[in-house]
Amino acid sequence: DGGITQSPKYLFRKEGQNVTLSCEQNLNHDAMYWYRQDPGQGLRLIYYSQIVNDFQKGDIAEGYSVSREKKESFPLTVTSAQKNPTAFYLCASSPLTGLMSTEAFFGQGTRLTVV
Amino acid sequence: KNEVEQSPQNLTAQEGEFITINCSYSVGISALHWLQQHPGGGIVSLFMLSSGKKKHGRLIATINIQEKHSSLHITASHPRDSAVYICAVRRNTGNQFYFGTGTSLTVIP
Repeated sequence: DGGITQSPKYLFRKEGQNVTLSCEQNLNHDAMYWYRQDPGQGLRLIYYSQIVNDFQKGDIAEGYSVSREKKESFPLTVTSAQKNPTAFYLCASSPLTGLMSTEAFFGQGTRLTVV
Repeated sequence: KNEVEQSPQNLTAQEGEFITINCSYSVGISALHWLQQHPGGGIVSLFMLSSGKKKHGRLIATINIQEKHSSLHITASHPRDSAVYICAVRRNTGNQFYFGTGTSLTVIP
């Protein structure tokens, strides 16, 4: 079955360490997105990519980095420069054009705790 | 101002009650999604709507494109429905998603 997979579901890291969150999709979707959720707030866009080897900053990109070397994969690295990395992270994907362009899939999410 | 507004923010219901969660948005959209977030944080997609109404089990979602409004209804609510329900819209320009802050639902036995 096609879908989008985020791993792991829970992640713990020590302060000052970089950590990479995985997001993989086998839906042949062009666009992929990373969002962050803090308590009492809506999900906010960190980065998005509409094509391989290209990505754009979202509203809260500082302290994060991404890569899009393959269409299927859009990993997010939370760097030590991110002041408050503890949060829930959500990956999403969607086609850009075509009959199913309204379709979107969402990962289960990764809860990152930095201690 | 948020592009997506949900109401209510918190909702407590007795088991068996009919529940309605509302979502209003201010941008042009290609689709609207209803998501369910469980206490552990995992996200489940419930519906994707671009017009009309969809039903899945005890869940019904409607959208009025002209009024920029969607509702999620839960019939015969059950404690296992307790979760946060999030409305998300996909903009028709730029293809980005905007999310509501969620409605926290607690169904009491």
